[in-house]
Amino acid sequence: RKEVEQDPGPFNVPEGATVAFNCTYSNSASQSFFWYRQDCRKEPKLLMSVYSSGNEDGRFTAQLNRASQYISLLIRDSKLSDSATYLCVVNMRGAGNQFYFGTGTSLTVIP
Amino acid sequence: NAGVTQTPKFQVLKTGQSMTLQCAQDMNHNSMYWYRQDPGMGLRLIYYSASEGTTDKGEVPNGYNVSRLNKREFSLRLESAAPSQTSVYFCASSEALRVGNFGPGTRLTVT
Repeated sequence: RKEVEQDPGPFNVPEGATVAFNCTYSNSASQSFFWYRQDCRKEPKLLMSVYSSGNEDGRFTAQLNRASQYISLLIRDSKLSDSATYLCVVNMRGAGNQFYFGTGTSLTVIP
Repeated sequence: NAGVTQTPKFQVLKTGQSMTLQCAQDMNHNSMYWYRQDPGMGLRLIYYSASEGTTDKGEVPNGYNVSRLNKREFSLRLESAAPSQTSVYFCASSEALRVGNFGPGTRLTVT
């Protein structure tokens, strides 16, 4: 079983739409959570950390549900520039400094 | 401030050839990582170095060696390249429990 699982999509949404991605993780001892964004043929870039209480950054909202072991990313008022692959990243307690990546969810925002 | 730099950007090797991928960071981060990214597999950790002078295996270390030359530099060596090592290789650095910054990647093809 993979440590981190994401629906690969693709998600194709019109501009202005709201879209949400979920990511599940298998290890209940997981400690830190992040969403990264990766554009085609580029390196991943940190989008936002995910805190237990949930957190927002502009149009982006991240939430953590420890009981069900998933994190989510909500994007409101989608822009064409949001088109990318979104990677869920989890750090496991006791795994040194290892981070586990989901395979990514592909989003295309359509004009 | 260049962040994380990697060389080369592209490389084609024949089976059995060796090469070293170079990575350097100028953010004074303690931890550095090497990942490979394959379609449908996400990013997988090859080796990491939690601090200067230490290295540890990640999820897929077979066929690779690493050297943490100093705090800035972390190199990845393929002693005898195999077609299964065709991939995109990313170096990253971080502080504390943040995954941090990625380099632009090296696209390696082994024929």
